[in-house]
Amino acid sequence: DAKTTQPPSMDCAEGRAANLPCNHSTISGNEYVYWYRQIHSQGPQYIIHGLKNNETNEMASLIITEDRKSSTLILPHATLRDTAVYYCIVRAPLNTNAGKSTFGDGTTLTVKP
Amino acid sequence: DVKVTQSSRYLVKRTGEKVFLECVQDMDHENMFWYRQDPGLGLRLIYFSYDVKMKEKGDIPEGYSVSREKKERFSLILESASTNQTSMYLCASSTSQLNEKLFFGSGTQLSVL
Repeated sequence: DAKTTQPPSMDCAEGRAANLPCNHSTISGNEYVYWYRQIHSQGPQYIIHGLKNNETNEMASLIITEDRKSSTLILPHATLRDTAVYYCIVRAPLNTNAGKSTFGDGTTLTVKP
Repeated sequence: DVKVTQSSRYLVKRTGEKVFLECVQDMDHENMFWYRQDPGLGLRLIYFSYDVKMKEKGDIPEGYSVSREKKERFSLILESASTNQTSMYLCASSTSQLNEKLFFGSGTQLSVL
């Protein structure tokens, strides 16, 4: 699986959009970008994933650059409950890879009142 | 709501004890995984299972074993606990479909004294 690079920490004002970047310059053609987050003292929670098109769900939006070498997770209206560690992962869609995802240190997002 | 349940939130054991960590999922998922999470090292895969009575080693299996007698239950066993096994242990599950996301439990914080 391709390696990802994320900033170690970010701050965001409550109610504003939080934009979390991820670099994955060695991503392969069949690898998807996944985002998870981990709120303190809980297990990671799936947020969203995509291949090359932008994706949106009830939690967030995922913007993937045309060359697929980077992506941005957008939380449109951040709340205090969005304070968490956010992990960007890339992996091929094979079933055998599902649990082998590499969760690095991620980005610690702090939403401030 | 889908659920992965880990039997204990906090556990304190003595060096040399045999330790059982239990994980149960109610989603009829084929795949189950055990990770440990340590500061600065991210999540590391210990063992995983794609089917009942089936197991495969992850990245750091030494000092651990697993058991999957029923589809919904995946147990992690520390045969003789050591202080370097003090960690947060996370269980996860997923379906066998391509591109499936992981569902995590809340974790067990194990302290070996």
